[in-house]
Amino acid sequence: DIVMTQSPLSLPVTPGEPASISCRSSQSLVHSDGYSYLDWYLQRPGESPHLLIYFGYTRASGVPDRFSGSGSGTDFTLKISRVEPEDVGVYYCMQALQSPPAFGQGTRLDIK
Amino acid sequence: QVQLVESGGAVVQPGRSLRLSCVVSGFTFGSYGMHWVRQAPGKGLEWVSVISSDGSKIDYADSVKGRFTISRDNSKDTLYLEMNSLRVEDTAVYYCAKMKTRLAYSCEYWGLGTLVTVSS
Repeated sequence: DIVMTQSPLSLPVTPGEPASISCRSSQSLVHSDGYSYLDWYLQRPGESPHLLIYFGYTRASGVPDRFSGSGSGTDFTLKISRVEPEDVGVYYCMQALQSPPAFGQGTRLDIK
Repeated sequence: QVQLVESGGAVVQPGRSLRLSCVVSGFTFGSYGMHWVRQAPGKGLEWVSVISSDGSKIDYADSVKGRFTISRDNSKDTLYLEMNSLRVEDTAVYYCAKMKTRLAYSCEYWGLGTLVTVSS
């Protein structure tokens, strides 16, 4: 099974400043179609998770362009160019390549 | 718009059974695989089970294998999770989620969740 590891686990950020979260998988997430099957999700306080990024870098519908994903293979990064108050919550990466799917531990972003 | 509504959560004693349902709308249910994902209180997300669009392919997390059964009724736009031999550690909010594509296990849409509490 693929294991996902995120860092940091806690991320205090000043509004307007950038933020970055790393995610590493124990195996390559590159599919035969060339895409890396790595997702990013955000779970705001009291809400269900929602999909932010899939295929490592493609923003889901309605996701602001201040969110960007990068990386391939086993190392991935989620970047927020300028953090806004509504970005507070827990961010999870997930490998979507094979069953069983696996989430990272989560990174809690809060406002300084 | 896409909606997923879970139900069936309750307080149950260890060793008992429970069946969760997830009714969907806003998309062609029979064309997409579906997941169950859970979240214990104050903890992270844990994938539980997946079922293909036609129900022919199913997989489970090791933590629930042999105790939980996922199924679907495409005529009723409904996903199920039959949970047997429940344990205290199964206490969690259970979410159903729609797969984004046939190939990728991405969870494109999520329900609001239903709370299962296992306690004596």
